[in-house]
Amino acid sequence: DQQVKQNSPSLSVQEGRISILNCDYTNSMFDYFLWYKKYPAEGPTFLISISSIKDKNEDGRFTVFLNKSAKHLSLHIVPSQPGDSAVYFCAASAAGGTSYGKLTFGQGTILTVHP
Amino acid sequence: DAGVIQSPRHEVTEMGQEVTLRCKPISGHDYLFWYRQTMMRGLELLIYFNNNVPIDDSGMPEDRFSAKMPNASFSTLKIQPSEPRDSAVYFCASSSREDRSGEKLFFGSGTQLSVL
Repeated sequence: DQQVKQNSPSLSVQEGRISILNCDYTNSMFDYFLWYKKYPAEGPTFLISISSIKDKNEDGRFTVFLNKSAKHLSLHIVPSQPGDSAVYFCAASAAGGTSYGKLTFGQGTILTVHP
Repeated sequence: DAGVIQSPRHEVTEMGQEVTLRCKPISGHDYLFWYRQTMMRGLELLIYFNNNVPIDDSGMPEDRFSAKMPNASFSTLKIQPSEPRDSAVYFCASSSREDRSGEKLFFGSGTQLSVL
């Protein structure tokens, strides 16, 4: 049972344009969401996060939107750069207590930004 | 800070052999996680520790897998005996609950395990 789903295995975008990566979740207990970026032969690195009490969080070129009613979140990258080409993972957790740090990851979306 | 350090980077072994993966978390972090990445299952949590104590090992696939954290700066994941289906990338991650930015895990570069 995949509780966090990234339905698009890959996304191709032109440099300078917007990249939109999507993620859906099914577990209503999830209240903290994160995006990680992964380059080949490296571990995932934290990109941006959002708590369920918010619907938007922005950090430079990266913005994460959360729609709790739809159980959907998205990552917007504007403008996209070739260096953004990587695998992007959506992750979720039911924060607090013994669930702290116990992240459930999506399958990942390969983003390719063309010059 | 050197980040989370894992060794070895690559491990090739034969079925039935014992495999030990090692991890040094970021100094001061009180949580340590072992994740496994496969094509079929993606990134899945195997076990995690808080202050060197195992908190949740429900993701450990079977008794052939064991993990220890003898002190705050070292953890091992052992597979004995190893099987071809254990072939995967194993990641170690650490975090600090004191980090006000939330549940941000810092991952190591991973160990690519191939069991022949």
